[in-house]
Amino acid sequence: KNEVEQSPQNLTAQEGEFITINCSYSVGISALHWLQQHPGGGIVSLFMLSSGKKKHGRLIATINIQEKHSSLHITASHPRDSAVYICAVRWSGNQFYFGTGTSLTVIP
Amino acid sequence: DVKVTQSSRYLVKRTGEKVFLECVQDMDHENMFWYRQDPGLGLRLIYFSYDVKMKEKGDIPEGYSVSREKKERFSLILESASTNQTSMYLCASRDRVYEQYFGPGTRLTVT
Repeated sequence: KNEVEQSPQNLTAQEGEFITINCSYSVGISALHWLQQHPGGGIVSLFMLSSGKKKHGRLIATINIQEKHSSLHITASHPRDSAVYICAVRWSGNQFYFGTGTSLTVIP
Repeated sequence: DVKVTQSSRYLVKRTGEKVFLECVQDMDHENMFWYRQDPGLGLRLIYFSYDVKMKEKGDIPEGYSVSREKKERFSLILESASTNQTSMYLCASRDRVYEQYFGPGTRLTVT
């Protein structure tokens, strides 16, 4: 069974803290996506990775193909970063498989 | 910017009713998806379509059907709504490099 596991499920941080969210998957993948979902439902794509590391502003995503693991880091966290962060993987073909999400709350 | 729109943000239906959820994308994407999202379960794929009139079952197609008569429009149909279909429904389209674009979601309540 293809599985995507995220940790932690819930995370509360003080403004300014460095945050790490983890994603592990069970078999080799074509690509991994990090998504952000704000209250109200809308989901936006943050990163798509197949190797290495990507950075966008205060967000950094890394992937270790050998260990089947990815991390999403947020530097200098801010209350507007409060959201659910979702890891999704694509093995082959058209279908994506999603983790259950990490709910992040950043307190001022 | 890619826009994916869904016909309703909130919907309340009665058990046994036929329910139509519509999704429209404006970027000429061939691939479109319907997901449902439930607490603790994440997003699960109901159906996807890779071209007009073409469809594939996802992981949880039971109780649902879909229609894709035009490239920009992908409809999800609940033939006879049941309370266990109360959920958030998300539509997405996908570009050629596998980037997904999501609609705002429809929160459906079946009473």
